[in-house]
Amino acid sequence: SQKIEQNSEALNIQEGKTATLTCNYTNYSPAYLQWYRQDPGRGPVFLLLIRENEKEKRKERLKVTFDTTLKQSLFHITASQPADSATYLCALFTGGGNKLTFGTGTQLKVEL
Amino acid sequence: ETGVTQTPRHLVMGMTNKKSLKCEQHLGHNAMYWYKQSAKKPLELMFVYNFKEQTENNSVPSRFSPECPNSSHLFLHLHTLQPEDSALYLCASSQDGAGGGDTQYFGPGTRLTVL
Repeated sequence: SQKIEQNSEALNIQEGKTATLTCNYTNYSPAYLQWYRQDPGRGPVFLLLIRENEKEKRKERLKVTFDTTLKQSLFHITASQPADSATYLCALFTGGGNKLTFGTGTQLKVEL
Repeated sequence: ETGVTQTPRHLVMGMTNKKSLKCEQHLGHNAMYWYKQSAKKPLELMFVYNFKEQTENNSVPSRFSPECPNSSHLFLHLHTLQPEDSALYLCASSQDGAGGGDTQYFGPGTRLTVL
């Protein structure tokens, strides 16, 4: 079965810097990959989707890359702000309908 | 708000109790999902319903019983739960549960504690 690895340790960065979060998977490359944001006590909120034939996707200050050779996706937040502090989840489409397999998430803290 | 509501937000129950979790989506979607999120663990998919039909049961114990009376409502009936079932239970919906690539919209979750 597909195994997803996200850095379980919290990532602390200074406001204004670029945050880079990593999502690695172990088996076959999924047809697409999604990133979600989750705040404490709330459900995940969809941010971006990237397909296997896309190298990069952008949305405002967010950028996602997808490298099927490395079996890795990187999630970047440029000009980070304290309001970006949250847990970010990587999710892979694992086939059979709209099934997603989620990683454990990486907690990001943006400090003033 | 995401258009997906869940009630109750918090629930404490004993192992012999019977309770139900409710989820409602106002997005006109055709697929609904139940997930379990435990501390330090990834979201675990429990059940998927597409057009009111259950299409996925991810080896969930029978003490969890889902019900989907229509495309807008989803229930999770709970009975004789164990303390290890304590977790955040999340409901989600998407436009289509048969294809791939659909965004899933999550509710705020029900924080369940089993004593």
